[in-house]
Amino acid sequence: GQSLEQPSEVTAVEGAIVQINCTYQTSGFYGLSWYQQHDGGAPTFLSYNGLDGLEETGRFSSFLSRSDSYGYLLLQELQMKDSASYFCAVRDPASGAGSYQLTFGKGTKLSVIP
Amino acid sequence: SQTIHQWPATLVQPVGSPLSLECTVEGTSNPNLYWYRQAAGRGLQLLFYSVGIGQISSEVPQNLSASRPQDRQFILSSKKLLLSDSGFYLCAWSGLRGTGTFGSGTRLTVV
Repeated sequence: GQSLEQPSEVTAVEGAIVQINCTYQTSGFYGLSWYQQHDGGAPTFLSYNGLDGLEETGRFSSFLSRSDSYGYLLLQELQMKDSASYFCAVRDPASGAGSYQLTFGKGTKLSVIP
Repeated sequence: SQTIHQWPATLVQPVGSPLSLECTVEGTSNPNLYWYRQAAGRGLQLLFYSVGIGQISSEVPQNLSASRPQDRQFILSSKKLLLSDSGFYLCAWSGLRGTGTFGSGTRLTVV
């Protein structure tokens, strides 16, 4: 089976840096993704790590360590609009189907305060 | 670019009534498609996924079913809705690099 663990809530101050961690256990592994979801909206793709290391996209960076089954999302220069839920997801092969499922963590609710 | 159209945006249905939610994908061929459900304040639960026409895999036993009559069409159905079927239903497409794209979702309330 697959499971992902991430903190349920994080609070940070506007302008600060916050790191959201994700650990995973999967039967197979083909990369770790991050998604952002504002209240009432659909998740939107933020970043993907297929190999170890850091991927940077503007104020957001994502890191992966496959040996540790661990990754994190780093948000810099936090803005109020960054208040949202953030989900990590793994892409792993489903048994017998040739499909690559996206299995999500339960999400981290980030609250950015003034 | 890939886009997913999902409708309706909101739906209120009485217990015991049927359900049909439709999702269509543009900008890609032979996509892997998914139906997720999200309860209020909770994570995303995978309900069904499909690797091709007529190919459906179910992740959890439930009151719902799915069908894929065309390559770019994925339908979620129920013959008789239960109160517990209420939730936010999301259709998604998964790319090669885990770059999933979600539809805008359907918020279903069963009363």
